[in-house]
Amino acid sequence: QAVLTQPSSLSASPGASASLTCTLRSAINVGAYRIYWYQQKPGSPPQYLLTYRSDSDKQQGSGVPSRFSGSKDAPANAGILLISGLQSEDEADYYCVIWHNSAWVFGGGTKLTVL
Amino acid sequence: QVQLQQSGPGLVKPSQTLSLTCAMSGDSVSSNSAAWNWIRQSSLRGLEWLGRTYYRSKWYNDYAVSVKSRITINPDTSKNEFSLHLNSVTPEDTALYYCARESVGASGFDYWGQGTLVTVSS
Repeated sequence: QAVLTQPSSLSASPGASASLTCTLRSAINVGAYRIYWYQQKPGSPPQYLLTYRSDSDKQQGSGVPSRFSGSKDAPANAGILLISGLQSEDEADYYCVIWHNSAWVFGGGTKLTVL
Repeated sequence: QVQLQQSGPGLVKPSQTLSLTCAMSGDSVSSNSAAWNWIRQSSLRGLEWLGRTYYRSKWYNDYAVSVKSRITINPDTSKNEFSLHLNSVTPEDTALYYCARESVGASGFDYWGQGTLVTVSS
């Protein structure tokens, strides 16, 4: 079982909201981790979006719109990236990352299509 | 504004050593509030963290278990850059390689190099 599991793809309409999930392996408690989110567009390196551990421990990347936000679903043992008011420019790959066992671990990424 | 500029060959023969350099401006490789990382991306493995170097009164390195026996990341304070050396490469090491700054705190990888496509082939 992978450490971080993301759905491979997600589609949503312009103006709608998209909830991207990052599920941690069952033996790893999401509550203990900061989850970092990155956006990657074709031909470019990933770009930092935000970090979320709790409402009192979170950070927004410089210049990242507030319509990008993080949260957790504790029962599902998952981190969530919520994008509200979807725009065509949000179409990209999104990756979650955690620091686990002295290493950075990436999720497999979700391809978000805005149509 | 921090900028990371990568350099190095795009083609490496199997069993040889892959070497890349990441030169920076706008920050120091000796910074006490940053770590300097190498990350690669391939269709086979997705995004994969390889390792990092950082200075906290002395130099430290962390490496991914998957490459630990083959990797070295070195800082060069005289040139304000850091390098990646991955030996005994195979075609599975073919990937787009990135360097990235990791800021202390909750910022993660906030600056990235432009990426270098490295192909392992004879």
